[in-house]
Amino acid sequence: QVQLVESGGGVVQPGKSLRLSCAASGFTFSNYGMHWVRQAPGKGLEWVAIISYDGTNKYYVDSVKGRFTISRDNSKNTLYLQMNSLRAEDTAVYYCAKAGQWLGSEYFFDYWGQGTLVTVSS
Amino acid sequence: DIQMTQSPSSLSASVGDRVTITCRASRTISNYLNWYQRKPGKAPKLLIYGTSNLQSGVPSRFSGSGSGTDFTLTISSLQPEDFATYYCQQSYYTPLTFGGGTKVEIK
Repeated sequence: QVQLVESGGGVVQPGKSLRLSCAASGFTFSNYGMHWVRQAPGKGLEWVAIISYDGTNKYYVDSVKGRFTISRDNSKNTLYLQMNSLRAEDTAVYYCAKAGQWLGSEYFFDYWGQGTLVTVSS
Repeated sequence: DIQMTQSPSSLSASVGDRVTITCRASRTISNYLNWYQRKPGKAPKLLIYGTSNLQSGVPSRFSGSGSGTDFTLTISSLQPEDFATYYCQQSYYTPLTFGGGTKVEIK
């Protein structure tokens, strides 16, 4: 069965960096796009970024553009999110999610991990 | 960005009730609308994609309809395991956006 396991969360000071990882299993990782989605405390779900199956195409929400980088290593079945210049408003549970596929769209999420908490605080 | 507005934000219902949740997009999104279920401490679960396509393994009491800007999720007969928060999400434009959620509670 599909499993997505995030790691790398923790407490970090504003302006610092953190890298999240997501280990995937139970499907052919290199065939699917992957997403990061986050949920801040008491807030709704917010999509963060998507990367295509081969890593060539990446899109981000405006609030993280230039600070966050999504990447993947298909040889390791692992998705990453490099987060630089972190701000208090980046505090959230971060989920990796496998892209669903329908009519050529990969812009939805058919499996999610359990999430990893990132807290940005001095 | 496309704004997704869900209503109601919460509702109380009894086991066996028919429940309907609505989702409105600020612009037309064709039928690129998806629904998720979220239980406390668990990962979100895809229920319906493309407005009305049931994800594998999801019970048939869940159904979706709509097009353009107005969409609904219906639970035909609410079961104890259905008490959760439900989110809609548009998959037509980036940035991908979610509704604010509808919490379904036990009456």
